[in-house]
Order: sequence, then structure tokens, then C-alpha cells
Amino acid sequence: AQSVTQLDSHVSVSEGTPVLLRCNYSSSYSPSLFWYVQHPNKGLQLLLKYTSAATLVKGINGFEAEFKKSETSFHLTKPSAHMSDAAEYFCVVSLWGGYQKVTFGTGTKLQVIP
Amino acid sequence: DVKVTQSSRYLVKRTGEKVFLECVQDMDHENMFWYRQDPGLGLRLIYFSYDVKMKEKGDIPEGYSVSREKKERFSLILESASTNQTSMYLCASVPLGGDGNQPQHFGDGTRLSIL
Repeated sequence: AQSVTQLDSHVSVSEGTPVLLRCNYSSSYSPSLFWYVQHPNKGLQLLLKYTSAATLVKGINGFEAEFKKSETSFHLTKPSAHMSDAAEYFCVVSLWGGYQKVTFGTGTKLQVIP
Repeated sequence: DVKVTQSSRYLVKRTGEKVFLECVQDMDHENMFWYRQDPGLGLRLIYFSYDVKMKEKGDIPEGYSVSREKKERFSLILESASTNQTSMYLCASVPLGGDGNQPQHFGDGTRLSIL
């Protein structure tokens, strides 16, 4: 069994300040973890993925995430928010059991204040 | 770059109609998925397919069916549309194999309203 919890449904930051979007997961086995971003009325775009290599993963648009097995966390960060970062972000856990079993978090809406 | 194309961005249908949502991918991926997305619930899996003519139920298959006659095309069918099926529908694809570490590629979604 696997699950994903995004700890904040909404996060609001000022432009130029750091972003932290929190994600905790639960999995019976070593999962792969992803962060996706969704802009209004668009599909999901992959930001980054963790697949048991380096625990600090760098993604597109300056985002990065750190896999912490002891805390079962995979938080997404960015040093300086930009207005274009305003979107909804999804944390995803993936396992393979004959087919890809994917579980999505419920999403975090990021608001960036000018 | 992988492209997943959903035939309609917006669709309005009436209660009781049979509704078809079409999805085409251009990267020869074996696995294709249909999700619905509702505020506060994230994405929920309706059906998926790992090969032509193969289909598996996801978490919320009731009221839906699917068809996969060709590898590149995966259709979602609402047999008799109801207002509680008003939602955003997203299609995704991913290649077969690996250990689950391949990211899914998504279409832009179809926003379906049932009146």
C-alpha cells in the first residue's frame, strides 16, 4: 500500500522569497517520487523525479527536492519565488507491481504575491 | 518530446448522453491512463491499459468504460452521463517496464460539464 500527504492545501509567498511545499509519503517498498506542476486549465508537467540515486534532486525552473527516508518526506523548494510559479503542485509516489501504481497527493496551490 | 493530445478542451453534454473522450499519444507508449480531477481530491484513476485491447479498472471505474483498439489511442466512455461526472478529465501515458520510475506524460485535459 502507498499514500501521499501534501501538508498544505494553499501556500502564499511574496515574490523573491523562498518556497517550501511539503510532502510526506508512505510505501511498503522503495518508491519513485515525482513533483508535477499544473497551471490553470493545463495538464500536469513534470518538475523533477527521485529514483533512488542522489537524495537531492534538481528540477526545472529552479526547483529542487530532497528525499529523506527517515522522515518519509520529499519536500519541494525554490530559493526565490517568481510570479510565474503560481500554480498547483502535486506530489506523486510510484511503484511497479506488474504495472505502474501511481498515487497522487491532493495538491498544493501556490500563490505568489507581487 | 512526448505529446499526449486530448481531442476536446471543453465539452458540454446532457444527462443521459453517451460521451466519448479521446486521447492520442505519439511515443509508442504501452501504458495509458484516464484520471478525473476534482478540487481537493487530486487525481483519481478511472481506468488504465497496458496493451492494445487490455484494460484494468482503477479506483473509480463506476459509470465509465474504455476502449483501446490501437496502441496510440485510448478512449474513455461515459455510458449514460450524469451530473456527478462533471469534472476535469486527464489522459496520461508511460512506457512499459522499468521499476515504476518513469514519469507519466499528460494531456492538457478535457473539462466536461454535464447539464
